[in-house]
Amino acid sequence: AQSVAQPEDQVNVAEGNPLTVKCTYSVSGNPYLFWYVQYPNRGLQFLLKYITGDNLVKGSYGFEAEFNKSQTSFHLKKPSALVSDSALYFCAVRPNQGGKLIFGQGTELSVKP
Amino acid sequence: DTAVSQTPKYLVTQMGNDKSIKCEQNLGHDTMYWYKQDSKKFLKIMFSYNNKELIINETVPNRFSPKSPDKAHLNLHINSLELGDSAVYFCASSLRRGRGQPQHFGDGTRLSIL
Repeated sequence: AQSVAQPEDQVNVAEGNPLTVKCTYSVSGNPYLFWYVQYPNRGLQFLLKYITGDNLVKGSYGFEAEFNKSQTSFHLKKPSALVSDSALYFCAVRPNQGGKLIFGQGTELSVKP
Repeated sequence: DTAVSQTPKYLVTQMGNDKSIKCEQNLGHDTMYWYKQDSKKFLKIMFSYNNKELIINETVPNRFSPKSPDKAHLNLHINSLELGDSAVYFCASSLRRGRGQPQHFGDGTRLSIL
């Protein structure tokens, strides 16, 4: 079965420190990968995507993500976390054959001053 | 200008009632979606329409009936509401062209069944 896993329900980081939110996927072929962020009482907002090419993709608000095909991972990173980055982050994958977007279970990021 | 707007934002109603949620997008997208987010924040697609045609229909009780009068609107009607229907329902839209088009989400409708 095709799936996306975010192994950490919660990630805690001090402001100014680097952050990583992990994502692994199990999908056949060459999937398209996405990260979305959800702030309280809001809908999901697109952060970045990987389609092809450079394994390091840059997105909104200083976030970037590294695609690793051998490890089937697409971890979200930011060099220096801000308190305002605190939110719920979703990894998602669209399989090679198209169709629906499959979401991970979400990771709550908490950045403390 | 709100790109994807849903109404109402909050919906509190009794078990057994029928209710509708409306969604409109002004992005010029041709594909729209309904998602359900449960209390554990898990997000699951329910339906998708492309140019008024149903293209994704997940395993959803037939009490849920989507309707797309045109490609800018996708409504969700729910009959005989049950306690388990309590959730946040999100509408989203995208361009269908290519697999890499991101989806744009509304701010959700919080449905509470008493």
